[in-house]
Amino acid sequence: SQKIEQNSEALNIQEGKTATLTCNYTNYSPAYLQWYRQDPGRGPVFLLLIRENEKEKRKERLKVTFDTTLKQSLFHITASQPADSATYLCALGLGGSQGNLIFGKGTKLSVKP
Amino acid sequence: EAEVAQSPRYKITEKSQAVAFWCDPISGHATLYWYRQILGQGPELLVQFQDESVVDDSQLPKDRFSAERLKGVDSTLKIQPAELGDSAMYLCASSQRGGTGELFFGEGSRLTVL
Repeated sequence: SQKIEQNSEALNIQEGKTATLTCNYTNYSPAYLQWYRQDPGRGPVFLLLIRENEKEKRKERLKVTFDTTLKQSLFHITASQPADSATYLCALGLGGSQGNLIFGKGTKLSVKP
Repeated sequence: EAEVAQSPRYKITEKSQAVAFWCDPISGHATLYWYRQILGQGPELLVQFQDESVVDDSQLPKDRFSAERLKGVDSTLKIQPAELGDSAMYLCASSQRGGTGELFFGEGSRLTVL
């Protein structure tokens, strides 16, 4: 069956450390993968996109890797801050004409001061 | 900055009643999506429009849900009759035609069915 799994429901880290979130998928062949941030009671906000032929993408303190052999994406936040506390969703883009995304359940990140 | 507008933000209704949600996407965005997000889960696609045409409604429970985008701009999602299991956040998103697939979400409409 097709599955998207994000490593844990919750991740607690200390301010200043690097947060690493995992997204694994089974029986999908995504053309690209996206990461979104969602605050409680709000809609998701786009962070980064990485295509199947890209290994790594960076944006400020964020870094995403994409390994199509392992069927895994890693999302890193360096020098984490309490303001980074939120739920982070990975989403697979299957490409083609439709363009809709298949979302994981998300990982709730808490950064403690 | 352009935003996706949704209303109402919150809706409480009794089961068997009708409920409607409205979405106005970012101007110029040809593709519009309705997602449902149950608490603790990721968003799940209900329906996708390209301009005024439905591209994918395979996960839309068509016995009670309907969606339209008559002029290819704003959209309405309706539930009739509402059931207890429909309690969720209903998210509207839009994207550019031929874009990278980045979705711009609205703030959502939180539905509680009593």
